[in-house]
Amino acid sequence: GAGVSQSPSNKVTEKGKDVELRCDPISGHTALYWYRQSLGQGLEFLIYFQGNSAPDKSGLPSDRFSAERTGGSVSTLTIQRTQQEDSAVYLCASSLGGLNTEAFFGQGTRLTVV
Amino acid sequence: RKEVEQDPGPFNVPEGATVAFNCTYSNSASQSFFWYRQDCRKEPKLLMSVYSSGNEDGRFTAQLNRASQYISLLIRDSKLSDSATYLCVVNSQDASKIIFGSGTRLSIRP
Repeated sequence: GAGVSQSPSNKVTEKGKDVELRCDPISGHTALYWYRQSLGQGLEFLIYFQGNSAPDKSGLPSDRFSAERTGGSVSTLTIQRTQQEDSAVYLCASSLGGLNTEAFFGQGTRLTVV
Repeated sequence: RKEVEQDPGPFNVPEGATVAFNCTYSNSASQSFFWYRQDCRKEPKLLMSVYSSGNEDGRFTAQLNRASQYISLLIRDSKLSDSATYLCVVNSQDASKIIFGSGTRLSIRP
């Protein structure tokens, strides 16, 4: 596709269940980012990939959160044993990497933990 | 200290007014700077890059002050449609990734 694609667009899950969020970056983009945004709040950095490796995982809030990227393309963000405070919009962005490159965002996955 | 800091606002200004935001960054070696715009319940989108000499795009002017480590965004003749959150973006210390500020909320009133 032409842009960054995220799925599902909406996810409602019960507390304690695991969820998996998917991001398809723009073809050829080596850099991929995950952010979280709670209602009315700013972007919270979660993790950054360059190719398949994640040089910066500093933003993952707990060990319940993990992410991987395969083939330098699709990335999945997994949240285990979801809690209500995990409810937010999870945004993925990709870029060519390097200096002066624009990051393009997907439309996000709205996660609601009930 | 956060790598990128912005005044969260909200800035509430009348239509037609001029409004300016600043954003400070901590890494003096940063080389890439951008302003993004995020509408309510939408994803952020690039508004404009910020060049060393400053640049203008219609009613929007972006400037970089390397000595004081801040970038600015000036909006002239503001429109109701300018109401949004404006995000400052700077590349990281090792130039390996970009970092978003938490955004400045702007509300234009009739």
